[in-house]
Amino acid sequence: DTGVSQNPRHKITKRGQNVTFRCDPISEHNRLYWYRQTLGQGPEFLTYFQNEAQLEKSRLLSDRFSAERPKGSFSTLEIQRTEQGDSAMYLCASRPGQGQLEQYFGPGTRLTVT
Amino acid sequence: QQQVKQSPQSLIVQKGGISIINCAYENTAFDYFPWYQQFPGKGPALLIAIRPDVSEKKEGRFTISFNKSAKQFSLHIMDSQPGDSATYFCAATPVTNSGGSNYKLTFGKGTLLTVNP
Repeated sequence: DTGVSQNPRHKITKRGQNVTFRCDPISEHNRLYWYRQTLGQGPEFLTYFQNEAQLEKSRLLSDRFSAERPKGSFSTLEIQRTEQGDSAMYLCASRPGQGQLEQYFGPGTRLTVT
Repeated sequence: QQQVKQSPQSLIVQKGGISIINCAYENTAFDYFPWYQQFPGKGPALLIAIRPDVSEKKEGRFTISFNKSAKQFSLHIMDSQPGDSATYFCAATPVTNSGGSNYKLTFGKGTLLTVNP
């Protein structure tokens, strides 16, 4: 399977706990995005990486959120001190590179904060 | 401020019918418009996309119509099938005058399509 993969697919955590999600983009895609999708809504942009550099962060990304992409391959999204409002589907997408516009999404990680 | 408005929120069509979903945008810098299909519990899958240099693009049963002056675009699904039942999202991003937007997508709220057999 050469698509975008995300792990875990589901995560249930208690309020106040920290969680970390992983995204493996399509091989050789050096652009990577994180989006968040709540029930009944379209995905909303969170952050963008070009290779290992985090070039843009949305105002949605509070200080409790951090994302990394060491070595420009896989990426991780960490949420510290989770809140019930963090419950959502976290989607990762990748894009080949300069001038290539198509973004390909992974299956997402469904986070439930109890 | 909702930059991409999608309608209808839900749509029911009979097998073999035409499904039409509409989107309107406000940001005149938007010039790349993809449509995504999402099944429950899955990530969005890219269906078809259009740039403003053409008014229509067709891929199989899926057609995008684009009206730059009205700032509207729509997805037409011909010969709709029960397997097309899913949520459809339109999206947009600036490319030519991206101003550092990094091509991040702004999505509509989605349309839940049900195709009855």
